[in-house]
Amino acid sequence: DVVMTQSPLSLPVTLGQPASISCRSSQSLVHSDGNTFLNWFQQRPGQSPRRLIYMVSNRDSGVPDRFSGSGSGTDFTLKISRVEAEDVGVYYCIQGTHWPPYSFGQGTKLEIK
Amino acid sequence: EVQLVESGGGLVQPGGSLRLSCAASGFTFSNYEMSWVRQAPGKGLEWISYINSGGITKYYADSVKGRFTISRDNAKNSLYLQMNSLRADDTAVYYCARGAWSSLWEYWGQGTLLTVSS
Repeated sequence: DVVMTQSPLSLPVTLGQPASISCRSSQSLVHSDGNTFLNWFQQRPGQSPRRLIYMVSNRDSGVPDRFSGSGSGTDFTLKISRVEAEDVGVYYCIQGTHWPPYSFGQGTKLEIK
Repeated sequence: EVQLVESGGGLVQPGGSLRLSCAASGFTFSNYEMSWVRQAPGKGLEWISYINSGGITKYYADSVKGRFTISRDNAKNSLYLQMNSLRADDTAVYYCARGAWSSLWEYWGQGTLLTVSS
């Protein structure tokens, strides 16, 4: 099974400042079809998870452009260019290349400093 | 508008059974793969089961294999999770989520809480 490792697990950020979350996989997430199925999800307090980014760098509809995803192979990053209050929550990277099972990062809790 | 609405959660004794349902609307349910994902209180997300659009291919996490059964009724636009031999560590909010591959879990339900306790 693929192991996903996120860092940091806790991320205090000042409003308006950037934030970055790293996600590393135990093996390459490049599928045999050439695609990389690495996704980022946000879970605000008391809410269901919401997908932000799919296939490394594609923003979902309605996701603010301050969110961006990058990376390749085994090393991926979610960046928030300027953190807003509504960004508070837990962020998960999830791989959908080598499944079952789907594997998740441990989650990064973003809070406002 | 895509909607997924879970139901069926509640309080069950250890060893008991329960069936969760997920009612889908706003899209052609029979075209989409579906999964169940759960979240224990204060913990992270855990994928537990997948079913393909036709209901033939099914996968399970090791933690539930042999105890849980996923199914769907495309005529009723519904997804199900039959849970048997429930344990305390099955206590969680259970979400249904739509899609796989590039559309992995693009939509989620609001979740239904299962509590396993005596």
